[in-house]
Amino acid sequence: AQSVTQLDSQVPVFEEAPVELRCNYSSSVSVYLFWYVQYPNQGLQLLLKYLSGSTLVKGINGFEAEFNKSQTSFHLRKPSVHISDTAEYFCAVSDLRNNDMRFGAGTRLTVKP
Amino acid sequence: KAGVTQTPRYLIKTRGQQVTLSCSPISGHRSVSWYQQTPGQGLQFLFEYFSETQRNKGNFPGRFSGRQFSNSRSEMNVSTLELGDSALYLCASRAGSSGVREQYFGPGTRLTVT
Repeated sequence: AQSVTQLDSQVPVFEEAPVELRCNYSSSVSVYLFWYVQYPNQGLQLLLKYLSGSTLVKGINGFEAEFNKSQTSFHLRKPSVHISDTAEYFCAVSDLRNNDMRFGAGTRLTVKP
Repeated sequence: KAGVTQTPRYLIKTRGQQVTLSCSPISGHRSVSWYQQTPGQGLQFLFEYFSETQRNKGNFPGRFSGRQFSNSRSEMNVSTLELGDSALYLCASRAGSSGVREQYFGPGTRLTVT
């Protein structure tokens, strides 16, 4: 079965600095990959997805992620963060054999002024 | 389109009671999944329903059950509540056809068991 590891549980960063949230996955078959964001007291919102094609995926709110098959990674990046980006970020994987989706443990991004 | 809606948003129950949570998916979506989110365990998959049939199930005890109606609305039931059932319960919907994997989440129901 597929699995996801988010390498950092917490990432503090200053406003306008760049940020990278790391995600590695494990699967024996091809996968779909996702990043979701969760603001306090809300559900998860889809940031971006990789299904096939270009390995650089652009999402909402200025985020992008790069799929690296050889390193089985799907890191999320933003060149300049805002206070409003403070939230929990989840990486998720779904393999092509079945219908379920596995989530990482989450990374709490805190943007400081 | 309206998003995924969940009712109620907040719920307080006592140990031993049972509870029913409701989820209305995005119009046209036939798949509904349920997740339990806690600080210690993160997001854990409970089950998925597609066209009124349970298609997938996570590793939860039989006290957790669900169903889906012909209009794709889904309910989740937890019987004999335990303190450890306190969590945010999230519902997610997707189109359900093969190859369409992105899920859209509701705001969740915050269940507190005392």
